[in-house]
Amino acid sequence: EPEVTQTPSHQVTQMGQEVILRCVPISNHLYFYWYRQILGQKVEFLVSFYNNEISEKSEIFDDQFSVERPDGSNFTLKIRSTKLEDSAMYFCASGQGLDTQYFGPGTRLTVL
Amino acid sequence: GESVGLHLPTLSVQEGDNSIINCAYSNSASDYFIWYKQESGKGPQFIIDIRSNMDKRQGQRVTVLLNKTVKHLSLQIAATQPGDSAVYFCAETFNDYKLSFGAGTTVTVRA
Repeated sequence: EPEVTQTPSHQVTQMGQEVILRCVPISNHLYFYWYRQILGQKVEFLVSFYNNEISEKSEIFDDQFSVERPDGSNFTLKIRSTKLEDSAMYFCASGQGLDTQYFGPGTRLTVL
Repeated sequence: GESVGLHLPTLSVQEGDNSIINCAYSNSASDYFIWYKQESGKGPQFIIDIRSNMDKRQGQRVTVLLNKTVKHLSLQIAATQPGDSAVYFCAETFNDYKLSFGAGTTVTVRA
């Protein structure tokens, strides 16, 4: 069964550094998403992406964040200058249409 | 075991019993709802979904009920198994681009 994959599984970085989290969505999906989950809290929406542009973004997704689909398979989330409060699990999700979203296993980001 | 009425953060259930997990959603404009299961260290896993034009949908061992009048969603798991132990989240959306997740219910299955 096809699934969303994410790399790395765990990323440790220093505050102020840039990080890029990578995702390979399910191959025939057209809608892509990033969510985050701070430890012990609920999953929060960050951004949705369709047809090579952002469809919607949350208040969390400020100018420090960007997304890109650099080729036909990868979908990336970049945080330009990480802050301590960016420490969280980051989940990529994809969907074939505007319905069910399938989530990847997540990348644990730790900002020191 | 079941959590009826208000959302409860934890639910302990005997193996083989039926489980009911409740969720109150916030946006009356939401028209699509999904239940996800999240095991420790993993991403949310799709269980079942329902559109607002339905009030019940059944899957394999799971049933979702939707009461739009009181903005309430429930997930019923039949014959709960140890592998059902996880955190269960309901999610809602009105535009399908953005899922809003609930707080989650931790289900523990007792042997």
